[in-house]
Amino acid sequence: DSGVTQTPKHLITATGQRVTLRCSPRSGDLSVYWYQQSLDQGLQFLIQYYNGEERAKGNILERFSAQQFPDLHSELNLSSLELGDSALYFCASSVVGTSGSNNEQFFGPGTRLTVL
Amino acid sequence: QKEVEQDPGPLSVPEGAIVSLNCTYSNSAFQYFMWYRQYSRKGPELLMYTYSSGNKEDGRFTAQVDKSSKYISLFIRDSQPSDSATYLCATPGNTGNQFYFGTGTSLTVIP
Repeated sequence: DSGVTQTPKHLITATGQRVTLRCSPRSGDLSVYWYQQSLDQGLQFLIQYYNGEERAKGNILERFSAQQFPDLHSELNLSSLELGDSALYFCASSVVGTSGSNNEQFFGPGTRLTVL
Repeated sequence: QKEVEQDPGPLSVPEGAIVSLNCTYSNSAFQYFMWYRQYSRKGPELLMYTYSSGNKEDGRFTAQVDKSSKYISLFIRDSQPSDSATYLCATPGNTGNQFYFGTGTSLTVIP
């Protein structure tokens, strides 16, 4: 158990809908990362927050947004869902938000999103 | 060109074999490299990280970086069925804020 929790585990919804994925980082970790993993694309970095502020953006679509709250939990909002958004969404956390040997990322169990 | 490229396999070996997993990276400024292991339907877990060039050993696992050829490798000695998983190489790049992952190599160790 990494100490990172994600809810829900599974989500099935229809095209055009909006969903919210939730992540609680490990105790003491200030940085939260969101990733999308699909069979053909591998693990794609979406966005990073550090202590409530956006730190870096990856391949995140405009239909997607995220935030990190004062208690450090984070939410990833996916709107106007398309079939191609079906994937595993992982959250990871780390103590710091920069490169280095102490930037180990701990991954949550993921949320499996199915868009029908 | 992708920042990190990895042969997806799949790779199937008999128990006890030495396994070699490889990645290439695009930017010679990258210095930190990680190997993650991902079991089916689970999140990735960090196996090893290395800095710059050279080898790092941890039990049956050895991570190697060759900066001259921009090549990173993970060797698994005496492979076990429990090693069956997908292995991903990764790097935080040269800013530290982005994380680039390979597509993963699927490994099956046959008893």
